[in-house]
Amino acid sequence: DTGVSQDPRHKITKRGQNVTFRCDPISEHNRLYWYRQTLGQGPEFLTYFQNEAQLEKSRLLSDRFSAERPKGSFSTLEIQRTEQGDSAMYLCASSLAHSDNEQFFGPGTRLTVL
Amino acid sequence: GESVGLHLPTLSVQEGDNSIINCAYSNSASDYFIWYKQESGKGPQFIIDIRSNMDKRQGQRVTVLLNKTVKHLSLQIAATQPGDSAVYFCAETFNAGNMLTFGGGTRLMVKP
Repeated sequence: DTGVSQDPRHKITKRGQNVTFRCDPISEHNRLYWYRQTLGQGPEFLTYFQNEAQLEKSRLLSDRFSAERPKGSFSTLEIQRTEQGDSAMYLCASSLAHSDNEQFFGPGTRLTVL
Repeated sequence: GESVGLHLPTLSVQEGDNSIINCAYSNSASDYFIWYKQESGKGPQFIIDIRSNMDKRQGQRVTVLLNKTVKHLSLQIAATQPGDSAVYFCAETFNAGNMLTFGGGTRLMVKP
């Protein structure tokens, strides 16, 4: 296991379409986080899971966004009815334990909504 | 690679010099403060963290200083190398392992 992986790396879609991104965390990590990053800004927290339980969601996560981690391993982030404002880099991170500040980030999925 | 930030404050240093990157935070209730490094086309990479009850912590070639009086955090990099060129973000969290709130980034450019 070489780290957190995300798929796809790039996604171009038309406004109004649904998209789904996948994150595979480091295998023994029980915490998984989703962030969004726009150019020139730091990442913004969206949501996180401990095992399969979704513990917290940001106000940024509108009703069009949903995240799952059904078996406590990989996670998916779905955006329905995409808008141009959804264009951003979507980053996934994982960490080993609730007491660990070292979150390991994946390379991100770059979403462009036309 | 992809540019992380197009309009970030930039610090340009000569290779071998020491670098100091600063960050102002807003939430005095945060328990931990963390520095991340982000290279172009990659996700952020953890560098070092410090708990709010400390004012200094040292790692390998890096030192983080925390001044709670003025809500200021700094990252010092000794003997800066070309591989240190990246965007650096500070972040804070209420409890270890929780969501991170990132501040604005600083681009560090190392001149050979």
